[in-house]
Amino acid sequence: EAQVTQNPRYLITVTGKKLTVTCSQNMNHEYMSWYRQDPGLGLRQIYYSMNVEVTDKGDVPEGYKVSRKEKRNFPLILESPSPNQTSLYFCASSGLFSTVRPLHFGNGTRLTVT
Amino acid sequence: TQLLEQSPQFLSIQEGENLTVYCNSSSVFSSLQWYRQEPGEGPVLLVTVVTGGEVKKLKRLTFQFGDARKDSSLHITAAQPGDTGLYLCADSASGSARQLTFGSGTQLTVLP
Repeated sequence: EAQVTQNPRYLITVTGKKLTVTCSQNMNHEYMSWYRQDPGLGLRQIYYSMNVEVTDKGDVPEGYKVSRKEKRNFPLILESPSPNQTSLYFCASSGLFSTVRPLHFGNGTRLTVT
Repeated sequence: TQLLEQSPQFLSIQEGENLTVYCNSSSVFSSLQWYRQEPGEGPVLLVTVVTGGEVKKLKRLTFQFGDARKDSSLHITAAQPGDTGLYLCADSASGSARQLTFGSGTQLTVLP
């Protein structure tokens, strides 16, 4: 089954404790992206990657890091989480990205930073 | 920076009623995608519209793209509880084909 898998689904942590949210897709997609979703603000892009070893900032990259060492994986790293990073995070992927190709989303990771 | 405005923000209706939600942009869309997000899940693509004036139908859902490509609407006929969810529009007219800009969504609740 074609899918984007995120782990964990829920995560509660404390300020400053490094964490990684994993994302994997089995569709051989070149394009992958991370979004955060907050009430009233919609989905905002954090980082995206056009292919292996190619990453770029989205609209809200501060406080986040990503890497793309393999085509299927695109982990999101929070080196020193803060409470304002409490949010619902989505990973998404797409084939050779064009304006008409759909994004395939994972089921989300709900992060709480206390 | 492109702004996508969706209205209404919240909509609660009874089963069987019709409804329309809107997506408007501060600039011309290159293409527009509509997604539906159900609780606990990620958004799922419903349709992509590309040409001004285009109309697409997906069962009871009708999507229209404005002639000037700055607005779009989603009309649901005879809504059902299964239509409940967050409806999001998205466009890549921010200047880069690598990024989609999402609206903040319309939260639809269809009551049985």
